[in-house]
Amino acid sequence: GAGVSQSPSNKVTEKGKDVELRCDPISGHTALYWYRQSLGQGLEFLIYFQGNSAPDKSGLPSDRFSAERTGGSVSTLTIQRTQQEDSAVYLCASSLEWVASPLHFGNGTRLTVT
Amino acid sequence: QKEVEQDPGPLSVPEGAIVSLNCTYSNSAFQYFMWYRQYSRKGPELLMYTYSSGNKEDGRFTAQVDKSSKYISLFIRDSQPSDSATYLCAMTSYNTDKLIFGTGTRLQVFP
Repeated sequence: GAGVSQSPSNKVTEKGKDVELRCDPISGHTALYWYRQSLGQGLEFLIYFQGNSAPDKSGLPSDRFSAERTGGSVSTLTIQRTQQEDSAVYLCASSLEWVASPLHFGNGTRLTVT
Repeated sequence: QKEVEQDPGPLSVPEGAIVSLNCTYSNSAFQYFMWYRQYSRKGPELLMYTYSSGNKEDGRFTAQVDKSSKYISLFIRDSQPSDSATYLCAMTSYNTDKLIFGTGTRLQVFP
């Protein structure tokens, strides 16, 4: 069956450029999450969507980061004017209703800012 | 201090050993406890899910929650080389909308 799909799987960009990361959640999952995973840092919460609304954006590190979700499905995480400290694996997850429902993760986008 | 603490390892054990992985936490409101397994260059996958205190067993895996001590454990019996991965604990409560993860423990099982 189809799981959570993320694209691209790898992205190398120059400092100062903008990047867009895409997430296709499991069909029917209303909750969608973005996490960031850096070496030795574990998973850092970025933002949560319920449907197309983002009730919790508290984890976004700066105003260079933004995310949207359309049609209760696909989500895009945008990082403007990338910095080297943005280098990490960006993971998307979806769940049936809310966070206590099991989260299903994609394989992530590995972002490298040179 | 982080909400969830987990020893990063690495933990290296011989095949067939019993493995014990642990996390401590500070937020007494946490009620839902999970263990995720993450293979290299893959996303985490749910391994065990426990609500409140107690034990849960699934095959070679046992999850334990001790809310009084704010301590959770994952035991792996008869460990196999295929168990080599990073194990992440995660937890949340009914009145929050995010899952809080530990940093993960890297486990290596050698033949």
